[in-house]
Amino acid sequence: GQQVMQIPQYQHVQEGEDFTTYCNSSTTLSNIQWYKQRPGGHPVFLIQLVKSGEVKKQKRLTFQFGEAKKNSSLHITATQTTDVGTYFCAVIYGGATNKLIFGTGTLLAVQP
Amino acid sequence: DTGVSQNPRHKITKRGQNVTFRCDPISEHNRLYWYRQTLGQGPEFLTYFQNEAQLEKSRLLSDRFSAERPKGSFSTLEIQRTEQGDSAMYLCASSLVDGRTEAFFGQGTRLTVV
Repeated sequence: GQQVMQIPQYQHVQEGEDFTTYCNSSTTLSNIQWYKQRPGGHPVFLIQLVKSGEVKKQKRLTFQFGEAKKNSSLHITATQTTDVGTYFCAVIYGGATNKLIFGTGTLLAVQP
Repeated sequence: DTGVSQNPRHKITKRGQNVTFRCDPISEHNRLYWYRQTLGQGPEFLTYFQNEAQLEKSRLLSDRFSAERPKGSFSTLEIQRTEQGDSAMYLCASSLVDGRTEAFFGQGTRLTVV
């Protein structure tokens, strides 16, 4: 079946520390997306990765797509309290279904 | 167009009652998804549409759940004979289908079954 696992489930950091979440798939992916959901909010799109080994940056956020296109990571440098929320990876499984499936998510707590 | 709109935002219902939720996607989006999310979990795929065609329904979804998207515009999700286990946030999302598959979510409908 289609499974997208994320680790860790929860991470608590002091403001200024770095944070990384990992997303792993059991199958090769055509692309991967990352979303952020603030407490009480809805998921908001951050970025999409398509190419093997791709690295993209958004200010303090760095996104990587694995060479085998089965895993991805999101790294936040020098976390701020505004980074609090749950980070989800999401994948499109191709073929007949081609639907968007979300990972289990990583909840980030940042202590000022 | 201000984005994806869902109504109602909150719904409290008694067990056994039927409920219906509505989603108005971004107007030019062909694809529409329904997800269910419980506390501490990621959005769980329920079903999705390409225009008016329902392409897939999750095998985990009971027959009490049905969705429609008449004319490929707004969509409704109906839950019949609600159970306490149906209590969750129901999220709708829409996206284009031209390789730019970024999904835009609505604010969700929070269902509480008492």
